[in-house]
Formats: sequence, structure tokens, C-alpha cells
Amino acid sequence: NAGVTQTPKFRILKIGQSMTLQCAQDMNHNYMYWYRQDPGMGLKLIYYSVGAGITDKGEVPNGYNVSRSTTEDFPLRLELAAPSQTSVYFCASSYPPSGTLAYNSPLHFGNGTRLTVT
Amino acid sequence: KNEVEQSPQNLTAQEGEFITINCSYSVGISALHWLQQHPGGGIVSLFMLSSGKKKHGRLIATINIQEKHSSLHITASHPRDSAVYICAVRSKGLAGNQFYFGTGTSLTVIP
Repeated sequence: NAGVTQTPKFRILKIGQSMTLQCAQDMNHNYMYWYRQDPGMGLKLIYYSVGAGITDKGEVPNGYNVSRSTTEDFPLRLELAAPSQTSVYFCASSYPPSGTLAYNSPLHFGNGTRLTVT
Repeated sequence: KNEVEQSPQNLTAQEGEFITINCSYSVGISALHWLQQHPGGGIVSLFMLSSGKKKHGRLIATINIQEKHSSLHITASHPRDSAVYICAVRSKGLAGNQFYFGTGTSLTVIP
């Protein structure tokens, strides 16, 4: 049981390049999230998904795109990299809120991707 | 104003000291999470609580829903406890999928 797997761990991009950050989970979680973490700031939500085929914007979606074709995978796409996208990116997943345990589902995080855009 | 405020931002302690990290929040929540982020970056979930108190080993987390406040305590601190501790809340609402995060408390425990 690998949990949440993110690749790559590190990446340097030139301005204008594109890349996809991969995220996969093997816990059959419906909910998946992409966050970015900047120094001195709390984690900010980029995009999230509540199930295969369903995605929605978070707080800071500009410059990013996502897709969710399967329950397991939730890739994050950067189309035209900009220096403002230099950050550490975390993918996370959880079960949906349900029943008497409504909303009481822990977050499982990947190990992060450190991205530098120069 | 952030929905989740943590204090202190930075904390240095001698090995063996009792440590308290505080978290206040301003939104209605369904659950509060304490997370640990080690150097190297990985984030792990320590606690998830919606009332009362939970204990895992030397770590204790409490929450006061009326006061919208939570504390994370570490008893008999050890250098391996050095990490960033993050408070996060899961909001109430139709989807319940929104988490708000504090900026973290960086803890250094000196031998």
C-alpha cells in the first residue's frame, strides 16, 4: 500500500515551458487535492476533485489545469511556466465525508514536488 | 485575515521540555487536523479531532469548539520532534471538502 505517490520530486523549468506533476493514490479515495506551499504561507488549494471526471478550482487555479480520468490519478498541468509558480506542490487525498463520520476523514499527503521556474 | 492562526511561529526548546503550540480558527469546522512536516518536506497527519482530547504517545491534542481553539502539546520533547507543525481545519458546508491551513510552527528541540 503505497499511499499517495507524487513525481517528480524536483524539477527546474525555464519560463514558458510546460510540465505535468503526477499524483496517484491506491487507497480508493474519492477526494484528491493539489496544494502549493510558499515560504511563510499556509498551504493554498489549487484544484480539487471529488471523484473521477469531476474537478473544480480552488483558491489559486490560474496557470494550472487538472484532469481526473480515474479514481487513482490526478495530474496537475502547468502550461506556460512562470517564476511565480516556483513553489513546493503537494498532492493529497481523503475519503469523502459520510454518515456519522461526516467530514472526519484524514488527509494523506504525497512527499511533494519542489519546482523552480527560472 | 487567515481563517487559521497559529502561535508561536517559531519555537526553540531544550530536550525534555513541555511544548505547547496553539491554533485558533474563525470558520465553522467539522474537524481539526494537526500535521507534521519534517525537513525534507513530507507531511503526515498526527491527529484529527472534532471534540475533546486525543493522545498518541508523547503528543496530546485538545480542542475547545466554543472558543474555536486547539492546542498541541508535546511532553518530554526530543530532538526528533523538530519539525514544522501545521494546524488545519475542515470546513462545514455542502461539500465539506475545503481545508484551511495555518502557516505552521517551526519547532527546534536542542539536545
